[in-house]
Amino acid sequence: GDSVTQMEGPVTLSEEAFLTINCTYTATGYPSLFWYVQYPGEGLQLLLKATKADDKGSNKGFEATYRKETTSFHLEKGSVQVSDSAVYFCALTYQPGNTPLVFGKGTRLSVIA
Amino acid sequence: GAVVSQHPSWVICKSGTSVKIECRSLDFQATTMFWYRQFPKQSLMLMATSNEGSKATYEQGVEKDKFLINHASLTLSTLTVTSAHPEDSSFYICSANSQMTQYFGPGTRLTVL
Repeated sequence: GDSVTQMEGPVTLSEEAFLTINCTYTATGYPSLFWYVQYPGEGLQLLLKATKADDKGSNKGFEATYRKETTSFHLEKGSVQVSDSAVYFCALTYQPGNTPLVFGKGTRLSVIA
Repeated sequence: GAVVSQHPSWVICKSGTSVKIECRSLDFQATTMFWYRQFPKQSLMLMATSNEGSKATYEQGVEKDKFLINHASLTLSTLTVTSAHPEDSSFYICSANSQMTQYFGPGTRLTVL
């Protein structure tokens, strides 16, 4: 079945450091890809998404590009802040809005001042 | 963006009792809602798909008689954990679809003593 693999955490960075969280997927078709963020004690929030190959999703300084050739959707940010500390989930689905998401295990990011 | 609420945000109950969790789409209608379960430091696992006006579809391994789902209106789905036991303690999260995007509730933390 379809699956999502994320890099193991936790990831600890100093403020203003560059962030990369790796995400690869296994899918039988061409899914839409998502990054969700979960702040402590809260539910998931959509961070960004991409619906087809070579699309780049971006939001709040975060970016991820849908790479079909490497089946990847790595999350990047050029300069992290303490407020970015959270758990980040990579996910896929085929029919956004109609089908459930398949999630990776999540990567915990801690940013220290 | 669309807002999904859950109530209660946390609940503690005695073993053997039943607990009802509500999931509401506040500013949109959702014919489909999803219920997920999240264990500590783990990813979200889909429990069931809730369809307005029809029976829910449960994932393999999820007991439908234990986790009762009712999607009585286009803005409300409920999950009732019947005869709860300590192993049912978890973080339950619902989501609803709006404009090809899945929006998540803040989650309900259930602790069964």
